[in-house]
This record gives sequence, C-alpha cells and structure tokens, in this order.
Amino acid sequence: DSGVTQTPKHLITATGQRVTLRCSPRSGDLSVYWYQQSLDQGLQFLIQYYNGEERAKGNILERFSAQQFPDLHSELNLSSLELGDSALYFCASSVVAGGSNEQFFGPGTRLTVL
Amino acid sequence: GQQVMQIPQYQHVQEGEDFTTYCNSSTTLSNIQWYKQRPGGHPVFLIQLVKSGEVKKQKRLTFQFGEAKKNSSLHITATQTTDVGTYFCAGPAGTSYGKLTFGQGTILTVHP
Repeated sequence: DSGVTQTPKHLITATGQRVTLRCSPRSGDLSVYWYQQSLDQGLQFLIQYYNGEERAKGNILERFSAQQFPDLHSELNLSSLELGDSALYFCASSVVAGGSNEQFFGPGTRLTVL
Repeated sequence: GQQVMQIPQYQHVQEGEDFTTYCNSSTTLSNIQWYKQRPGGHPVFLIQLVKSGEVKKQKRLTFQFGEAKKNSSLHITATQTTDVGTYFCAGPAGTSYGKLTFGQGTILTVHP
C-alpha cells in the first residue's frame, strides 16, 4: 500500500460524457502527478500540481483538466470522452524535499469509454 | 525537451537466465530512479541513484548509474517468475517540484 488512494477503481461510461477521477496523496506529500497509461504503453505524464498550484503540463488534452484542493487531494476531469480515452489513469504523489523526489503511485482508475 | 529512452522494449527469458535493461537520457541527470510495475499493478519505486558511476544492489538486482550521469542499467541475475513486469527508469525533468521523465519501460516476461 503506497498510501495514495484513487477513486473510483473502475469507471465505465459512454462517449461524450464527463467523468471525474479523484486522488488523495500520501500524508505530507505536496506534489501530485497524473499519468495516463494505455494498453502496453508507458506512463504518459499529464499534469502536476504542487501545494495547490499547477507546476507542469505534459500531453494533456484540452478536454482534460485538473485541480488540487487546499486539503491537497486532486481531481482529474475528463470531458467529451472519446473511445481513445480508455486507459488506466494513475495519480502519484511525492514530498519533494531534500532531493528526494521518488513518486508513490496510487492503484489507478481504469476508465472504459464505450 | 528531455528524453529518456529505454531498451529493449520487450524481453522474454527463461527462468534462471539473466536480464538487463538500459536507460539513456538526452541530458545529464542529477539522479535516476527505477520503478517496477507488476501486471495489473501500479509502478512501485525500486531505487534512486545519485552519484556518477554508482552501483547499488538489491538481492539479485544490480543498478548502475553511468559516469556521465546520462545512462543507467538494471541487471537481474537468475530471473524468477516473480520478476515479471515492466521496469521503468525515470529522471528529473529539469524543473523543480519533483516532476520526472519516464522511459517507455521494458516489459519482462519470464518463462518457467
């Protein structure tokens, strides 16, 4: 157990719909990262938040958005869903202090768009 | 931008054979990390290397960081079926706040 929680575990929805994925980082971790992993693919970095502020953006579509709340949990919003958005979405967190930036991954949310 | 390349993409071995995956960065890294993702699981941190030429061992796993701090390798001696999974290397993305650039990963299959 990494200490990072993600809900829901599975999500099945239809094209054109909007969903929200939720992530709670490890206690004490200020940074949250979102990744997308398609079948047999690597980890595609989407976006990073640090202490409530957006810090880095990767290959995140305009239909996707995220935020980090004052309690440090984060949500990833995916809208106008397409079949190609079906993937495993991971949230990770790290403390980012003293040179240690190892990331702790949550169990992921498997999104299926039908 | 920074790129981290890993080879091979796939590796099939017989149980008991050795396995090596290589990681190369387009830029010098302050450190490099390795993660393992079991089938159906999430990436799990294995180790971080910081010093030029550093070698670290974890039981049958040996991790090396190149002298120029642009490449790294993970070697598994006498693979076991429990070693199956995808191995990722990752390096700091050049920005602060902990962002990492991950390699594409090497998918290891071990045949009993």
